[in-house]
Amino acid sequence: DSGVTQTPKHLITATGQRVTLRCSPRSGDLSVYWYQQSLDQGLQFLIQYYNGEERAKGNILERFSAQQFPDLHSELNLSSLELGDSALYFCASSVANRFMDEQFFGPGTRLTVL
Amino acid sequence: AQSVAQPEDQVNVAEGNPLTVKCTYSVSGNPYLFWYVQYPNRGLQFLLKYITGDNLVKGSYGFEAEFNKSQTSFHLKKPSALVSDSALYFCAVRDISQHNTDKLIFGTGTRLQVFP
Repeated sequence: DSGVTQTPKHLITATGQRVTLRCSPRSGDLSVYWYQQSLDQGLQFLIQYYNGEERAKGNILERFSAQQFPDLHSELNLSSLELGDSALYFCASSVANRFMDEQFFGPGTRLTVL
Repeated sequence: AQSVAQPEDQVNVAEGNPLTVKCTYSVSGNPYLFWYVQYPNRGLQFLLKYITGDNLVKGSYGFEAEFNKSQTSFHLKKPSALVSDSALYFCAVRDISQHNTDKLIFGTGTRLQVFP
């Protein structure tokens, strides 16, 4: 158990809908990262927050957005869902925004868009 | 741009034999390299990292990795494989090309199958 929690574990929804994925980092970790894992794209970095502020954006679609709240939990919002958004979404956290820190991953949320 | 390559989609090894999972990297500047393992229906688990120092890095579950600067490689090794080591292994490099971020760039993954 990494100490990173994600809810829900599974999410099944229809095209065009909007969903919210939630992540609680390990106690004391200030950095939160979101990754998407799909069969065709592999593991892709989406976005990073550090202590409430956005730090970096990767291959994140405009239909997707995220935020980190004062209690450091984070939410990833996916809207106007398409079939191709079906994937495993991981949240990870690390102590700080330092290059030597390893990231600890949550168990993921499996999103299925029908 | 920073990148890592895992040239083998799958590695098969008999239990008790040594195993190697290959990774090569391409970075500008000093490389910060990581190995993660993913078991079925689970998140990624950190195994080990290379930041600086000794070229042989020891990690969790008896795994180690050898950093080779001249060959730009960071291969994952274990002297004696276990059936329970069967999983998907990812090599990753820290992307420090952008200021103030430390996101990871992952390889495509290598599936390790250990046969009894």
